[in-house]
Amino acid sequence: EVELVESGGGLVQPGGSLRLSCAASGFTFSRHFMYWVRQAPGKGLVWISRIDGDGTTIDYADSVRGRFTVSRDNAKKTLYLQLNSLRGDDTALYYCGRAGMFTLGGVIATPIDLWGRGSLVTVS
Amino acid sequence: DIVLTQSPGSLSVSPGDSATLSCRSSQFLSSSYLAWYQQKPGQAPTLLIYGASTRATGIPDRFSGSGSGTDFTLTISRLEPEDFAVYYCQQYGSSPNSFGQGTKLEIK
Repeated sequence: EVELVESGGGLVQPGGSLRLSCAASGFTFSRHFMYWVRQAPGKGLVWISRIDGDGTTIDYADSVRGRFTVSRDNAKKTLYLQLNSLRGDDTALYYCGRAGMFTLGGVIATPIDLWGRGSLVTVS
Repeated sequence: DIVLTQSPGSLSVSPGDSATLSCRSSQFLSSSYLAWYQQKPGQAPTLLIYGASTRATGIPDRFSGSGSGTDFTLTISRLEPEDFAVYYCQQYGSSPNSFGQGTKLEIK
């Protein structure tokens, strides 16, 4: 079955750290860019980061750059999000997502075509 | 950074009618890099449209996307009860990527 399963969330004090994992199955993990997106309770989706297939190019949102680190282990088919220096406004459901690789007139389109169910991080 | 502004914030429509949702970009955006998602309560989002107008696998043709430059539209025809949800646009062509704030489609 093609799926993503996040884990590692929980309750952490301000200033603390957590590491989220996203286990992939059913597809060739190394071929896909991967995303992290978060959603605070009752709020909208917020893009956090994107990493390319071999982990060499990583982009971050300004709100997390320098505090969060994304990595991947293609042998284990797992994506990671290390969250450091956590603050109350980091409280959210954290989703990992797979970037589809669609060809549109010579351009590779990479929307999120597969989402996990999310892992809840509460900073309090 | 590209800011996406969705309007309206909420929309009440009757089943069977059509709904038109807007997504405006703060900068020119190639249509190849604009997607729409649907999110139902308690669920992860699902991809509806990418490349501004290409439906994702399994998405019914009641959903259509259009637009270019800075103005993009998601149109949902013949609304079914299961279509009432929150809809987000996303641009994935420029770093940082970004989502709109969402439009909540409610049953009238």
